Amino acid sequence: AQTVTQSQPEMSVQEAETVTLSCTYDTSESNYYLFWYKQPPSRQMILVIRQEAYKQQNATENRFSVNFQKAAKSFSLKISDSQLGDTAMYFCAFYIQGAQKLVFGQGTRLTINP
Amino acid sequence: AAGVIQSPRHLIKEKRETATLKCYPIPRHDTVYWYQQGPGQDPQFLISFYEKMQSDKGSIPDRFSAQQFSDYHSELNMSSLELGDSALYFCASSLSQVDEKLFFGSGTQLSVL
Repeated sequence: AQTVTQSQPEMSVQEAETVTLSCTYDTSESNYYLFWYKQPPSRQMILVIRQEAYKQQNATENRFSVNFQKAAKSFSLKISDSQLGDTAMYFCAFYIQGAQKLVFGQGTRLTINP
Repeated sequence: AAGVIQSPRHLIKEKRETATLKCYPIPRHDTVYWYQQGPGQDPQFLISFYEKMQSDKGSIPDRFSAQQFSDYHSELNMSSLELGDSALYFCASSLSQVDEKLFFGSGTQLSVL
């Protein structure tokens, strides 16, 4: 079975600091994708960043970047220069080609303090 | 750009009643997914459809059924509602069943009293 584990239920940092959210996953598949989704208080599910497992280069999207360690099955999210609007629940998710579903981790509640 | 539309946004029902949630995918998207997110929980996969056929099934109770129609919109029917069915129900769509980019709607918040 495929599982996604986020070991940090809550994190809190000051505005402008850098924060890293952890995620590990378990699969025997070789063709898959990893995602970080943000869910603000509005509860809208917003895609933050996406990584293809076959790509060694870490994905980046402006202030968001990932550290993808395929052998360790680790996929952490780094948020640089954090902003108040980054306050949200962050879910790590995993999609296996052919399984046609996204599997989510338990989430990390991130609070950015002014 | 058009997004995934879910209706209604909020729904309040009594125990043992029936509810129908609707999802309109992004135009040209032929694959629809339903997820259930309980309070403080991560989203759990319920069911997915591709080209009007069920393609995968997750932890969906037998009291729930869903279908995808010829215009690709989908409906989730929930009968004999229980208090534990109170949750946010997300619909997502993708361009095809092999496309990993899912686009989520804003969800339907169901409250069962």
